Amino acid sequence: EAQVTQNPRYLITVTGKKLTVTCSQNMNHEYMSWYRQDPGLGLRQIYYSMNVEVTDKGDVPEGYKVSRKEKRNFPLILESPSPNQTSLYFCASSSGLAGATYEQYFGPGTRLTVT
Amino acid sequence: AQSVAQPEDQVNVAEGNPLTVKCTYSVSGNPYLFWYVQYPNRGLQFLLKYITGDNLVKGSYGFEAEFNKSQTSFHLKKPSALVSDSALYFCAVRDKANAGKSTFGDGTTLTVKP
Repeated sequence: EAQVTQNPRYLITVTGKKLTVTCSQNMNHEYMSWYRQDPGLGLRQIYYSMNVEVTDKGDVPEGYKVSRKEKRNFPLILESPSPNQTSLYFCASSSGLAGATYEQYFGPGTRLTVT
Repeated sequence: AQSVAQPEDQVNVAEGNPLTVKCTYSVSGNPYLFWYVQYPNRGLQFLLKYITGDNLVKGSYGFEAEFNKSQTSFHLKKPSALVSDSALYFCAVRDKANAGKSTFGDGTTLTVKP
């Protein structure tokens, strides 16, 4: 089954404790992205990657890091989480091949609470 | 910079009536436009897209959208709403010149009443 998986699904942590949210897709997609969803603000892109070792900032990259060492994985790293990073996070992937139509496939989401 | 506006936070319609959820966009190059739906406590699902060609695009669950270049709009429509269509709808844009960057609107909550 084609899917995007995220782990963990729920996480409660304390300010300053480094954490990683994993994302993996099994569709051999070139493009992957991380978003955060906050009430009334829609989805805001944090980082995106267009292929292995190619990443770029989205609209709200401050406080986050990413890496793309393998095509299927795109982890999101919070080196020193703060309460304003409490949010619902989504990973997504899409094909980037010539002729692709770029619709995104989303993971189930990770609800993060930073106290 | 690219942007998406969904001017209505909430749209209420009666079951069986037509529905429209509005979206306007701004992008410097050629747009790729999308609608996604989010049901309560679930992830986002792709509904339909405009990439090129016919301005009227049809998608899942009987939804359609019309691309209007002059008005930079991509409104979502359905001829006859169902109670099960009640959900949060997002419009999104990607620039063909940099398709990695994706911008979403703030979302519109659609409520269909029996």
